[in-house]
Amino acid sequence: DAGVTQSPTHLIKTRGQQVTLRCSPKSGHDTVSWYQQALGQGPQFIFQYYEEEERQRGNFPDRFSGHQFPNYSSELNVNALLLGDSALYLCASSLDRGHGGYTFGSGTRLTVV
Amino acid sequence: GESVGLHLPTLSVQEGDNSIINCAYSNSASDYFIWYKQESGKGPQFIIDIRSNMDKRQGQRVTVLLNKTVKHLSLQIAATQPGDSAVYFCAESPGGGADGLTFGKGTHLIIQP
Repeated sequence: DAGVTQSPTHLIKTRGQQVTLRCSPKSGHDTVSWYQQALGQGPQFIFQYYEEEERQRGNFPDRFSGHQFPNYSSELNVNALLLGDSALYLCASSLDRGHGGYTFGSGTRLTVV
Repeated sequence: GESVGLHLPTLSVQEGDNSIINCAYSNSASDYFIWYKQESGKGPQFIIDIRSNMDKRQGQRVTVLLNKTVKHLSLQIAATQPGDSAVYFCAESPGGGADGLTFGKGTHLIIQP
């Protein structure tokens, strides 16, 4: 049974560009959450998608947006990239908005130059 | 893989000893708490969780203690093994796990042979 899969694993973008990261949840999970983890820090909650809608959002600007598809997979989009957006982006899936616990993927390492 | 242990508090223990990792959480409304282990280049891995109606929960070689009065959480690892070397994060959620998780700063556990 595959866990949470994220793609790509590494990505280098130029300041001002746009990026899309992808996540496939663990089989049977219907909720996807995204986190940003700067080097040496704990993950920070970006937002959560359930039933194809953004249900909750952390303290991140509108440059960060997302989408959930009918098969529960999700995308994270970041526009107008800043150097400070360089981080590990983690996807976590869960059942019923987290009541069953969260499973994390290995993340996408984004470097903005 | 990249290190997630930079600039984090470090706990160094001898192999075979017990480890205690502490965490102070911030939100009095949090009612669900989780400990995660993160190895270099990987996403956080679930260790054990506890709900606010409990003050202790045991798993295999791990015990979590919750003190709601002082908003303190601890993770005890018995008979520490080399494979326990990682960064450990506590996380809290006010929605029984349904809301986004707020992670602590993390502790880098180093096992000495």
